[in-house]
Amino acid sequence: GVTQSPTHLIKTRGQQVTLRCSSQSGHNTVSWYQQALGQGPQFIFQYYEEEERQRGNFPDRFSGHQFPNYSSELNVNALLLGDSALYLCASSSIPGTGVKETQYFGPGTRLLVL
Amino acid sequence: GESVGLHLPTLSVQEGDNSIINCAYSNSASDYFIWYKQESGKGPQFIIDIRSNMDKRQGQRVTVLLNKTVKHLSLQIAATQPGDSAVYFCAEKGPGRTGGGNKLTFGTGTQLKVEL
Repeated sequence: GVTQSPTHLIKTRGQQVTLRCSSQSGHNTVSWYQQALGQGPQFIFQYYEEEERQRGNFPDRFSGHQFPNYSSELNVNALLLGDSALYLCASSSIPGTGVKETQYFGPGTRLLVL
Repeated sequence: GESVGLHLPTLSVQEGDNSIINCAYSNSASDYFIWYKQESGKGPQFIIDIRSNMDKRQGQRVTVLLNKTVKHLSLQIAATQPGDSAVYFCAEKGPGRTGGGNKLTFGTGTQLKVEL
């Protein structure tokens, strides 16, 4: 399945954080979501073939990377208190080609910004 | 189409009863829909999906119904069990885009509580 690290993280305002995700075997697309407490996940961006393919309404402080083995990183710079959330990674097959596009989620990384 | 709301709707059912969770989606061009179950402290877990060219799909103890006319999706859980207690989210995917991308837009979520 999809794995994420670390499971929990505490940072202070202004710091930078890197979250990691390993996709499910056979999947080449990784999507990142932010989930605030009591809300549904919000799409941050999606990577396929090591390129950002789609982006949600998140500032440039949020950036990412996909590696040749399809794993991915999410970087957040200049952390704000409002960045405290559960960060979810999801993997899927090739987007937009008719191949099954179900996104399977990892357990998430809980980030607390103080 | 963005998920909104700080107060999750709650559905309470008795163990053994059938549950019906409803969802209104936003984009009439969405072509793929998924139901996820999320337990406390965990990531969303895939339950069942349906494409826009279908109006019903059945799984083990679960059925998804899609009504494109009113942009409505429902999840039916038969013989609800205590292990079904969780938050349930519907998610929609827009049509294929040039350059790729298949972001999911999530609904508000419904808290299902199963009473013994």
